[in-house]
Formats: sequence, C-alpha cells, structure tokens
Amino acid sequence: QSALTQPASVSGSPGQSITISCTGTSSDVGGYNYVSWFQQHPGKAPKLMIHDVSNRPSGVSNRFSGSKSGNTASLTISGLQAEDEADYYCSSYTRSSACVFGTGTKVTVL
Amino acid sequence: QITLKESGPTLVKPTQTLTLTCTFSGFLLSTSGVGVGWIRQPPGKALEWLALIYWNDDKRYSPSLKRRLTVTKDTSKNQVVLTMTNMDPVDTATYYCVHDISGWYYLFDYWGQGTLVSVSS
Repeated sequence: QSALTQPASVSGSPGQSITISCTGTSSDVGGYNYVSWFQQHPGKAPKLMIHDVSNRPSGVSNRFSGSKSGNTASLTISGLQAEDEADYYCSSYTRSSACVFGTGTKVTVL
Repeated sequence: QITLKESGPTLVKPTQTLTLTCTFSGFLLSTSGVGVGWIRQPPGKALEWLALIYWNDDKRYSPSLKRRLTVTKDTSKNQVVLTMTNMDPVDTATYYCVHDISGWYYLFDYWGQGTLVSVSS
C-alpha cells in the first residue's frame, strides 16, 4: 500500500486561501468517501480537521473545508492565519480494509 | 472527556519485541462502533497507520507490517496492547494511540500524546 501523495509544501499570505491536494487511487481515495485531514503542530499530536471528505468536527473553524474529485481529495484553508502554520496529513480507507496516510504537507504563512 | 495515554519502553534493542499499552478513559471499548488503534511517526517523517481493534474484536493490520504486529484489548482495564516483533532501528518513532468512532472505516477523532520509542543497541 503506497502512501497518498501530497505536495511537500504550500505557502500563502495571511488572509489568502490555499489548497492542499491528496492523490491516491481508485482503491482508496477514489473508491470511498472516507478521507480525513489532520493538522499537526511541531511536537504535538495530530488533530482531526475534516472527516468523511468534507465534514468538520465540532470546534474546527469553518475556514477549513474538504472536497474530492476522482482520486484526489483536497483541503482548503481560507482566510489563512498565522496559527494555521503546521503540517497537514490526509488519510483514507482502502480496498484492503486498511488505512493509508498521505506524505504530509508543510503549510507556511508568509 | 476522552483521553488516551501510551506507555511502554523508551528504548529497545534490535530484534527485541516492543510492547506498548494504551490506557484510555471517557469511553468503553465494548460500545458498538468504537475502536482503538495505533499510528507511528518516525522523526521528521509522515504518519503511518499500524493496527486497530474494534469493539467486536475485529482486528485490522497494516499489510506491510502484519507479520510483526498483534493488537489485543482488555475491556475490564480500559487498555489496548500492541506488540511488534523483531524491532529494527527504522522502527524508531513516536507511537500514538487513537480513538476511532467510525465502526469500520477509520475516523480518528482523539489522539494520545504519543510515546517516543528508540531502537538501538
């Protein structure tokens, strides 16, 4: 099972919007609506930001949104803020009943 | 309030077996739809899913590590134990325990703080 592919880094200025992609195959991202996104600050445990492609858990800012097209899922952060600077990971359920994570994306707020 | 905490050795030698315990509170692993799993992260690298056990004793393993992993639960103690055999320096990582509310498709809504395990002779 290969890791899902994410860009190594994405950057944006405060107030801008950025989008992080997560590309898999029809055996994972493309085959199921079970994609999650996690935010991880340095030295901290990851935090669930989006589940089931586009659902936000209670307490997560509505500046975070998720979507999917074909084999690629996306996380969009609108109104970028300094506190959004972190690593972001996607994950997906797979056809072999396993879980696979993405390669991770470092978000920098310029 | 759901909490999870990992415990176990911080240092193991190559070829040894690692045993990690996740002690949790705020939920019951006997409740339908609930699972507890393990995820690791080597220093400076990405997350990697390892294993998970559901309330009905359904056990799932990473295909690439399946031969080395065993996950068990003790509902009376609110604990889940992960064993990984034949440890190697590449297994050096922070190991996280997670709560899964999905029932079967991996929705990790709560995470432990993680425990760093180093593998070295």
